[in-house]
Amino acid sequence: DTGVSQNPRHKITKRGQNVTFRCDPISEHNRLYWYRQTLGQGPEFLTYFQNEAQLEKSRLLSDRFSAERPKGSFSTLEIQRTEQGDSAMYLCASSLLAGAGEQFFGPGTRLTVL
Amino acid sequence: LAKTTQPISMDSYEGQEVNITCSHNNIATNDYITWYQQFPSQGPRFIIQGYKTKVTNEVASLFIPADRKSSTLSLPRVSLSDTAVYYCLVGDRNYGGSQGNLIFGKGTKLSVKP
Repeated sequence: DTGVSQNPRHKITKRGQNVTFRCDPISEHNRLYWYRQTLGQGPEFLTYFQNEAQLEKSRLLSDRFSAERPKGSFSTLEIQRTEQGDSAMYLCASSLLAGAGEQFFGPGTRLTVL
Repeated sequence: LAKTTQPISMDSYEGQEVNITCSHNNIATNDYITWYQQFPSQGPRFIIQGYKTKVTNEVASLFIPADRKSSTLSLPRVSLSDTAVYYCLVGDRNYGGSQGNLIFGKGTKLSVKP
């Protein structure tokens, strides 16, 4: 399977704990995006990488959130001191630098904060 | 980015043609119209993209009138497996300004019944 993969698929944590999610994009894709989706809503943009450079961050991405893409391949999204409001599906997508608007999404990581 | 308006939900029966209309009155000259499909617990999947007139692929057709203020996604002979949320997005080919993040609304929840 050469699609976008995300791990873990599900994560349950207690409020105040730190969590880290991983995204492996399609290998030749330069761009990598993180989105968050809550029930009944469309995905909301969080941040975006072009190769290893983080080029844009949404105001939704508070100081407790940090994302990295150290070698321009896989990416991690860490949430520190989780809150119940962080419960959501976290989606990763990738695209070619010159992609015509088509982003390829992974299956997502569903986070539940108790 | 142009705001889009689409019905919250639609019902259909197997074998019928389904047309989902999206309004985007403030579409800009450089904007493209793109539709994504999302099944429960999965990331969105690109369906089709167009600029004007008609675009057809193996999955759907996209009709765009001359004024481009609206567009219609047409799904021929739907089946139960087409039950999903369909998102209409409008933006330049890279979306979100120079960075490419997608702006989703709430989408249209299509329910196909036997």
